[in-house]
Amino acid sequence: GAGVSQTPSNKVTEKGKYVELRCDPISGHTALYWYRQSLGQGPEFLIYFQGTGAADDSGLPNDRFFAVRPEGSVSTLKIQRTERGDSAVYLCASSLGGGEEETQYFGPGTRLLVL
Amino acid sequence: DAKTTQPPSMDCAEGRAANLPCNHSTISGNEYVYWYRQIHSQGPQYIIHGLKNNETNEMASLIITEDRKSSTLILPHATLRDTAVYYCIVRSLNNAGNMLTFGGGTRLMVKP
Repeated sequence: GAGVSQTPSNKVTEKGKYVELRCDPISGHTALYWYRQSLGQGPEFLIYFQGTGAADDSGLPNDRFFAVRPEGSVSTLKIQRTERGDSAVYLCASSLGGGEEETQYFGPGTRLLVL
Repeated sequence: DAKTTQPPSMDCAEGRAANLPCNHSTISGNEYVYWYRQIHSQGPQYIIHGLKNNETNEMASLIITEDRKSSTLILPHATLRDTAVYYCIVRSLNNAGNMLTFGGGTRLMVKP
């Protein structure tokens, strides 16, 4: 594929609802990352997958946030009982491997607005 | 990962070189310097990275001081499309997750 794609591009939901955000990484990339970006700030790391497993989920803010990557390709970020403070742009990135020199390529992001 | 310091904003005239500084005085010997940029409403875009030597690619040049405590990203002929937030990131080899730690970046405004 051309690059990292994310769907939906925009999501509006109500406080307390459940949302799923999808990321399609570049074909063949084994490493996948989720970041969150609040208005006016740089992206903040959430979780890192190497293959199917979450190698580092230290950035997830609380247990309402969960992510999966069951087949080592597409990943879904799931947010339960959404709160207004969850409003942000959720960015996905992938890299060929997880090494320190591996360039991360970002998708366009999903803009989540919780009313 | 070492902390980076960048000016919050800079202006540059179209066609001139844009020189974006970054301070990383606590960088250690096994840490790379990465630059990404983010154009409005898009995801971050990789520009360049380096360890010790200066680097150049089709987008930019990266100049790292000999003591590695600071670096400068150079866009040789800035265009209006280079208007973006530029992030300087220090990335540790020992970073288990190899995630990128973004600071506030520099908002570069290229003016006609």
